[in-house]
Amino acid sequence: SQQGEEDPQALSIQEGENATMNCSYKTSINNLQWYRQNSGRGLVHLILIRSNEREKHSGRLRVTLDTSKKSSSLLITASRAADTASYFCAGGTSYGKLTFGQGTILTVHP
Amino acid sequence: DAGVIQSPRHEVTEMGQEVTLRCKPISGHDYLFWYRQTMMRGLELLIYFNNNVPIDDSGMPEDRFSAKMPNASFSTLKIQPSEPRDSAVYFCASSYPGQETYEQYFGPGTRLTVT
Repeated sequence: SQQGEEDPQALSIQEGENATMNCSYKTSINNLQWYRQNSGRGLVHLILIRSNEREKHSGRLRVTLDTSKKSSSLLITASRAADTASYFCAGGTSYGKLTFGQGTILTVHP
Repeated sequence: DAGVIQSPRHEVTEMGQEVTLRCKPISGHDYLFWYRQTMMRGLELLIYFNNNVPIDDSGMPEDRFSAKMPNASFSTLKIQPSEPRDSAVYFCASSYPGQETYEQYFGPGTRLTVT
């Protein structure tokens, strides 16, 4: 069963705008990861934040983690049409197992 | 490296037939995961292996599903007999949970249609 819930389920924005996606999880985690999936493809790892971290940046990505609320957010700044994809959060254990959320479908209009 | 390799990419079969999905993980990765993705249930972990040994198969739907990893470079997921509700995209992923990274590398998936 899916551990996390993501919000919103779908997000439609214009190129250049920022996109924020939220994720909640239920069980204890060692890390929280975000993945992207283009239509018809496998998932691709974007960024990982450990349970003792609160914020992390990678290029146009910013992820936050609030373990007290069991929630995380992914911000994509200055979005591009090529960012159109589904985005999944996944709670990770110390032995590598991931439990994925339901995903957010992001559409960036040129 | 070629990444995680899955075959076949598409499989169409009739109800009751046996289906075998194949996966070659990235060389040096000691964890291998099988997932199933559907619109209704999202991405579900079916089973995962560490050093060729099954660690957690609690996600395997029922006895019709079985998975093996005879060596570090090959794994199979078998469905026998197949049913229409098994139609989904099946992903294989591998990882090497070292000290700094736990990310998983996914294959392109096998789209299974059972008619």
